[in-house]
Amino acid sequence: QKEVEQDPGPLSVPEGAIVSLNCTYSNSAFQYFMWYRQYSRKGPELLMYTYSSGNKEDGRFTAQVDKSSKYISLFIRDSQPSDSATYLCAMRTGGGADGLTFGKGTHLIIQP
Amino acid sequence: KAGVTQTPRYLIKTRGQQVTLSCSPISGHRSVSWYQQTPGQGLQFLFEYFSETQRNKGNFPGRFSGRQFSNSRSEMNVSTLELGDSALYLCASSWTGGATNEKLFFGSGTQLSVL
Repeated sequence: QKEVEQDPGPLSVPEGAIVSLNCTYSNSAFQYFMWYRQYSRKGPELLMYTYSSGNKEDGRFTAQVDKSSKYISLFIRDSQPSDSATYLCAMRTGGGADGLTFGKGTHLIIQP
Repeated sequence: KAGVTQTPRYLIKTRGQQVTLSCSPISGHRSVSWYQQTPGQGLQFLFEYFSETQRNKGNFPGRFSGRQFSNSRSEMNVSTLELGDSALYLCASSWTGGATNEKLFFGSGTQLSVL
């Protein structure tokens, strides 16, 4: 079992829909959680960074962390075709000595 | 402010050769990390450098090595290339890498193809 599980998709939704992306993890030592967006032939771009359980909102994006269930989510409201990309969850332990552990990414397609 | 710069963008090598990839971090950033991205394994941590010293290392064979210079620029070397080394190699920088709430900024990567 991999430390971080993420459905690779593709996930295809119509423009304007609410998108829900999720990751589960098994290592309870993970304390910091991130969501990255990666366009084709580009490096990952940090979207959201959270620490505590609960919700964090930034514009159309909301990150949710449930440490008791080892489950994190990213919600995208009013989705746009420009949101079409691969979304990667990432996490690190409190010590941070072993770099980030990534999910394999979910390929999201927003249909105009 | 310039982002993380990686060169070259594309490389084609043959099995058994060696390759060197270069990364220039964001100005002022002193920590540089390297990651390998493949369709099968996703993004995997290779190693991290700070002040010319390797601080952390992922689970990769010794054929993968790196170094960091006094200006924080970093190079990654892969010796005796194998077909399975074909991947996108990503470099990421941060201020110090030591604070767990620091954010990483990634370059666009070097796409390595081993034939």
